[in-house]
Amino acid sequence: KAGVTQTPRYLIKTRGQQVTLSCSPISGHRSVSWYQQTPGQGLQFLFEYFSETQRNKGNFPGRFSGRQFSNSRSEMNVSTLELGDSALYLCASSLSEPTDTQYFGPGTRLTVL
Amino acid sequence: GEDVEQSLFLSVREGDSSVINCTYTDSSSTYLYWYKQEPGAGLQLLTYIFSNMDMKQDQRLTVLLNKKDKHLSLRIADTQTGDSAIYFCAETPSGNTPLVFGKGTRLSVIA
Repeated sequence: KAGVTQTPRYLIKTRGQQVTLSCSPISGHRSVSWYQQTPGQGLQFLFEYFSETQRNKGNFPGRFSGRQFSNSRSEMNVSTLELGDSALYLCASSLSEPTDTQYFGPGTRLTVL
Repeated sequence: GEDVEQSLFLSVREGDSSVINCTYTDSSSTYLYWYKQEPGAGLQLLTYIFSNMDMKQDQRLTVLLNKKDKHLSLRIADTQTGDSAIYFCAETPSGNTPLVFGKGTRLSVIA
């Protein structure tokens, strides 16, 4: 069974731009969660989607948004990029509950210049 | 405390055992996880333990859980250079919320 895939793997943007990241979960998994990983803050939860609905949300500004499609694929968007948004963005999928075992993708490395 | 806590660094010699410790926050956490992250990669699920268990063994990995002290440990037997990575402890707090991670322990294996 294929694992969680994320595209693109690397992105370089400038301040003020916006970016969209994509995540395809493991086949049959319906819950998708997003995390931001930085050296200073570690792994922080962004949001979780299930059945095309945001079910949980972390403590991030409204510039961070996401959505989920009917095939469970998910995208996250960051608008008006800031230097501090430079991070590794990780997507994880699980069967149906966020408390089910989560399997992570390789991440998208975003660099904001 | 409010955070999942781990020591930041551990250095061991090849062939020795490594023990990585973690203190979690929520005694209601159903599952506790250990993930491994190699440089430039995502998180790889290593093992997990259900909260009603005290110990789980999986090949070279042994997980010990002390619910009274909210303490979790991961023992890696016969540590190899390929085990060099960052190890994250994570819990699933009560309620329908996702994983809460520690800051990670960087394991360095010296040949």
